[in-house]
Amino acid sequence: AQTVTQSQPEMSVQEAETVTLSCTYDTSESNYYLFWYKQPPSRQMILVIRQEAYKQQNATENRFSVNFQKAAKSFSLKISDSQLGDTAMYFCAFMKYFGNEKLTFGTGTRLTIIP
Amino acid sequence: NAGVTQTPKFQVLKTGQSMTLQCAQDMNHNSMYWYRQDPGMGLRLIYYSASEGTTDKGEVPNGYNVSRLNKREFSLRLESAAPSQTSVYFCASRETQRAFTDTQYFGPGTRLTVL
Repeated sequence: AQTVTQSQPEMSVQEAETVTLSCTYDTSESNYYLFWYKQPPSRQMILVIRQEAYKQQNATENRFSVNFQKAAKSFSLKISDSQLGDTAMYFCAFMKYFGNEKLTFGTGTRLTIIP
Repeated sequence: NAGVTQTPKFQVLKTGQSMTLQCAQDMNHNSMYWYRQDPGMGLRLIYYSASEGTTDKGEVPNGYNVSRLNKREFSLRLESAAPSQTSVYFCASRETQRAFTDTQYFGPGTRLTVL
């Protein structure tokens, strides 16, 4: 079974600064996907960024980028030039590569952007 | 496109009452999922459906039943609600007919309180 660990329950950062959210996971699979989802106060789950484990290049989406370290089983999210709208819960999630697989979520990090 | 829709948005039940949570998607996705989210935890899979006519248990299926009514709709039923089922429920869908599709799209959630 897979496990996903987010060791930072809460973080806060000043607007316009850079913040990094940590995620580690445990799996015996060699092929898988990793995701970061954002959940603002509206509760909607919004996909922020995804990474395929077979790709060595780190994924980027505008101000969001990841540091994927496969050997260390680490998948951190960096948010650059943070904005007030980035205030949300952030969940790291794992999914096996093949088949109709579920997402395994971490417990989340509550990020607050301070004006 | 509305994406994934869920009804109702909020519900309060008394212990022992029954209810059905509805989910529909208009993206022609094959796979659909029901998750629950409890405070301090990530989302956990209750049931999923790989295709019309099939359903399978997830991590926390006890106390729930599901029906995949057609390709669009996947309902979750609580036959005899218990306070432990107080949670936020999310439906999700995913395209699985094509290779290398991985992203699950989530509905807005249903906040259920069982007194």
